[in-house]
This record gives sequence, C-alpha cells and structure tokens, in this order.
Amino acid sequence: QQPVQSPQAVILREGEDAVINCSSSKALYSVHWYRQKHGEAPVFLMILLKGGEQKGHEKISASFNEKKQQSSLYLTASQLSYSGTYFCGTEMVNAGNMLTFGGGTRLMVKP
Amino acid sequence: DGGITQSPKYLFRKEGQNVTLSCEQNLNHDAMYWYRQDPGQGLRLIYYSQIVNDFQKGDIAEGYSVSREKKESFPLTVTSAQKNPTAFYLCASKPLGTGAYGELFFGEGSRLTVL
Repeated sequence: QQPVQSPQAVILREGEDAVINCSSSKALYSVHWYRQKHGEAPVFLMILLKGGEQKGHEKISASFNEKKQQSSLYLTASQLSYSGTYFCGTEMVNAGNMLTFGGGTRLMVKP
Repeated sequence: DGGITQSPKYLFRKEGQNVTLSCEQNLNHDAMYWYRQDPGQGLRLIYYSQIVNDFQKGDIAEGYSVSREKKESFPLTVTSAQKNPTAFYLCASKPLGTGAYGELFFGEGSRLTVL
C-alpha cells in the first residue's frame, strides 16, 4: 500500500535540475509531495488529485499519470534551500482518506 | 493563527510505562493522523480518524492507542506493548469535503526516548 520513491538520494550543484518519482501498485485518488528539513516537520509542496486538479507552490511542478499510478516532482534550477528529504504520500481510491508515505528521497544541493 | 500543537516536544520514558502525546488543532479539520518516523526513515501511519468517535488503524498500530472525543483533539498513547517506541511522532490534520484539496498540515512533532 505504501508508494515507492526513486531515487533514494540525489546530489546536485546549484542550478541543476532533478526529478523525483513516486509509484503505486494501487489506483490512486491523490498524490501529495512534502519536503522535510532535518529535525523539522514536513512542509507541503504539492497535491495532485485524480481528474487533474492540483494545488501547490508556484515554483514547484509535478505530474500525475493516472493510468500508470505514477507521479513525478520536478525541481528546476535548484537552490541550496531545496536540500532536504522529499516524501510522496498517496491516498488510494476507496481507501477512506488513508494517507501513506514513501521512504523518501534525500536531496543535497551543493554550491 | 490556526495550526496544530503537539506536546510535549521532548519526552523521556522508562521501559514499561505508558505515555500519551497530545495533538490539538484549531483548523476545523475533520481528518487527523499520527505518523511515526525513525532516523533516516519515512513516515509510517499509526492511526487516523475522519470523524469524532471513529478511527482506523494504519500500518503500525500495534502497541498504540488513540481516541477522538473532540474534533480538535487526537491524543496518542504509546503503551508498554510497543517494543521499540523511541521515535519522532508527527500529528497531522487535513480538511475533507467538497472544495477541499486535502493537503496535510503537520504539527512540530514529539520526540520520545525510552531509557
């Protein structure tokens, strides 16, 4: 039931791009993306709903392929502040708001 | 300002003792969640609740108990049956219903250490 994230870790130089992927074996109602800094609570980045609606920060982009039950988070022109661990969370169709998370992707942006 | 308040922030417990973590929200959200996070790991769902007086088990409910007597409160009890309770515990809430996207709002977390 938990989604699978890839890659597990990414190292970038400032200004480089990255893509983080999230996949599920079950039909999804929604995909959530959060970033967590060490010792802090996760911060909301983006939510994508079945049917195409989405809400998120203007500098963040993501996609949701409903046929493949896959989502990707696109980080472009990375900044040092993008460093942290990125989590995708998913709610399955007909699972009554049960929201589970993947294992996370550690992103480090270097100067 | 609306938000989620977790307390205590740090808690030490002796083996064999029960401990209750508090989670209060003033966002008028229907759904509330408890997650456990171990160092370098993801968030694992313990329990969640969609409505007062109702809650469902998540993936790792054994050794934990919850109650939802009020919409704004969702306390988590870590019982002595939980074999390895040392972890970072996160409470979250989200709105439900028409027009709600349903993004999670997290509290600051409670760090439990068993001595």
